[in-house]
Amino acid sequence: NAGVTQTPKFQVLKTGQSMTLQCAQDMNHEYMSWYRQDPGMGLRLIHYSVGAGITDQGEVPNGYNVSRSTTEDFPLRLLSAAPSQTSVYFCASSYSGGTGRSQYFGPGTRLLVL
Amino acid sequence: TQLLEQSPQFLSIQEGENLTVYCNSSSVFSSLQWYRQEPGEGPVLLVTVVTGGEVKKLKRLTFQFGDARKDSSLHITAAQPGDTGLYLCAGVGGSQGNLIFGKGTKLSVKP
Repeated sequence: NAGVTQTPKFQVLKTGQSMTLQCAQDMNHEYMSWYRQDPGMGLRLIHYSVGAGITDQGEVPNGYNVSRSTTEDFPLRLLSAAPSQTSVYFCASSYSGGTGRSQYFGPGTRLLVL
Repeated sequence: TQLLEQSPQFLSIQEGENLTVYCNSSSVFSSLQWYRQEPGEGPVLLVTVVTGGEVKKLKRLTFQFGDARKDSSLHITAAQPGDTGLYLCAGVGGSQGNLIFGKGTKLSVKP
């Protein structure tokens, strides 16, 4: 199993550009989530999904959109990038909503918005 | 809003020393997880504690969940350079069991 994969690994955007961060898992996990990690801020939840067709907002959802058309994929879209979205983005998955379950994290996407 | 505070924020020690990292909250969590993250990688789950007062051991690492399920500690005995990394605690809360992360403790173990 590849686990959780994320592409791209690095990305530089100009303010106002759009892009999609890809996340895929091959463990048949129902729960998937996106976090951003900033220095001194820890990991903050952006959006999450408890199954295909079901998504919800986390702590910091503004400026990001998600959809979940399949169990395997959970892309994160930045519609109009801003410098404040410069961060490292992690996708994670687990069998359920995290209660006592192992969360598996991808390797991250490092995004710089100029 | 549920918050988790970790201390210390940074810790630099010599190989062979013992250390303890703390994770505290005013909120009750159904369970608490500890992760380790190495530079350029995603966090990796070390342990999940569920019951108040629970103690779990993972080789030289000892994890404890407070009796009231509001706090936790990680104790490392005879630290080694391979223990270097960012240690994150995460409380499981909310209706969907989402994770709430502390800001982390950055540990450096020097040979």
